[in-house]
Amino acid sequence: EVQLVESGGDLAQPGGSLRLSCSPRGFSFSSSWMTWIRQAPGKGLEWVATISDNGKNKYYGDSVKGRFDISRDNAKNSLYLQMHSLSAEDTAVYYCATVISGATEHWGQGTRVTVSS
Amino acid sequence: DIVMTQTPLSSTVTLGQPASISCRSSESLVHSSGNTYLSWLHQRPGQPPRILIDKVSYRFPGVPDRFSGSGAGTDFTLKISRVEAEDVGIYYCMQGKELPWTFGQGTKVEIK
Repeated sequence: EVQLVESGGDLAQPGGSLRLSCSPRGFSFSSSWMTWIRQAPGKGLEWVATISDNGKNKYYGDSVKGRFDISRDNAKNSLYLQMHSLSAEDTAVYYCATVISGATEHWGQGTRVTVSS
Repeated sequence: DIVMTQTPLSSTVTLGQPASISCRSSESLVHSSGNTYLSWLHQRPGQPPRILIDKVSYRFPGVPDRFSGSGAGTDFTLKISRVEAEDVGIYYCMQGKELPWTFGQGTKVEIK
């Protein structure tokens, strides 16, 4: 069974940083493109970032470009999202998901990030 | 960016009756590969989204056959043939043709 477990969500100060992690199980992580998608409280879904299977190709949404970094460690079976210069607009539940041909197949339960002073 | 517009934004349906959600994209979702990258997701309250349909009409394993997707180009439809109680929640369409991937606003389905 495919499982994705996110962690690292927390309360952060405006301007602060956080690192989210996603631990996958039950599929070939090193062969899978991965993505982060977020959902602000009471709002819809927003694509954040995507990384290729070997980690060489990274793509970002305009709202996070230059502030967030998506990365992965295939040896450790882990996906990351390093977030800097956080603002209230980054407050959301962050989901990691597997990518299959332009769609998001499996989703984690999400980790909550709150940016507030 | 490709804008995805869903209608209606809210729908109240009687158990056992059909339901339909439309999704329109601001440009064609036909990729140079020939595939059309339009998917549908369902999010129950307090749960993460779950994919139902990929590439317009491919139903993922485990998705009940009362769900079906159709459409082409810029106009797409998700149909539920007979709504069941577990179908409540918010439905999103998503385009995966090009980055940034974008989602519709969501359609909230409730049971009458």
